Amino acid sequence: DGGITQSPKYLFRKEGQNVTLSCEQNLNHDAMYWYRQDPGQGLRLIYYSQIVNDFQKGDIAEGYSVSREKKESFPLTVTSAQKNPTAFYLCASRYPGQNTGELFFGEGSRLTVL
Amino acid sequence: AQSVTQLDSQVPVFEEAPVELRCNYSSSVSVYLFWYVQYPNQGLQLLLKYLSGSTLVKGINGFEAEFNKSQTSFHLRKPSVHISDTAEYFCAVRGLGGGSQGNLIFGKGTKLSVKP
Repeated sequence: DGGITQSPKYLFRKEGQNVTLSCEQNLNHDAMYWYRQDPGQGLRLIYYSQIVNDFQKGDIAEGYSVSREKKESFPLTVTSAQKNPTAFYLCASRYPGQNTGELFFGEGSRLTVL
Repeated sequence: AQSVTQLDSQVPVFEEAPVELRCNYSSSVSVYLFWYVQYPNQGLQLLLKYLSGSTLVKGINGFEAEFNKSQTSFHLRKPSVHISDTAEYFCAVRGLGGGSQGNLIFGKGTKLSVKP
């Protein structure tokens, strides 16, 4: 079945460590997105990529980095520069030819900083 | 730029009662509108979307929403809720422009709690 796979589902990190969250999709979608979710804050866009080897900052990119070397993969690195990294992270994808903008989401990764 | 306001952060309701979750948006261009549902520790699933045409949109699980352009609203309704509808609901808007205007903007969510 086609879908988006995020791993790990739960991750614990010590302060000062970088961590990388994986996002893989087999939907043949061109565009991929990373959102951060905090209680009562909704979803806020971190980074997005419309095509391989290209990506743009979203509203809260500081302290995060991404790469898009393959169409299927869009990993997110939470760096030690991110002051408050504990959150639920959601990866999504969209086929640009589908001009409605509808997103398909993964199951999320919950990061906790100890 | 677009913005979305979900007027209620929490909505408690008894089983089999009707429910309305309110959503207002702001945009200088035409928009597409969406409602997503999120169960605990899961991703978001699309409930329904308004693109054009009929202002009453029907979605999955018996939900429907009505687009009101003059009031810039897109409220979600269900005539009779079940315990299984307990979840968080997100309204989202997308402007009909290129670049970052094409990104979805989400409201802060409404937690629906259905009590027996």
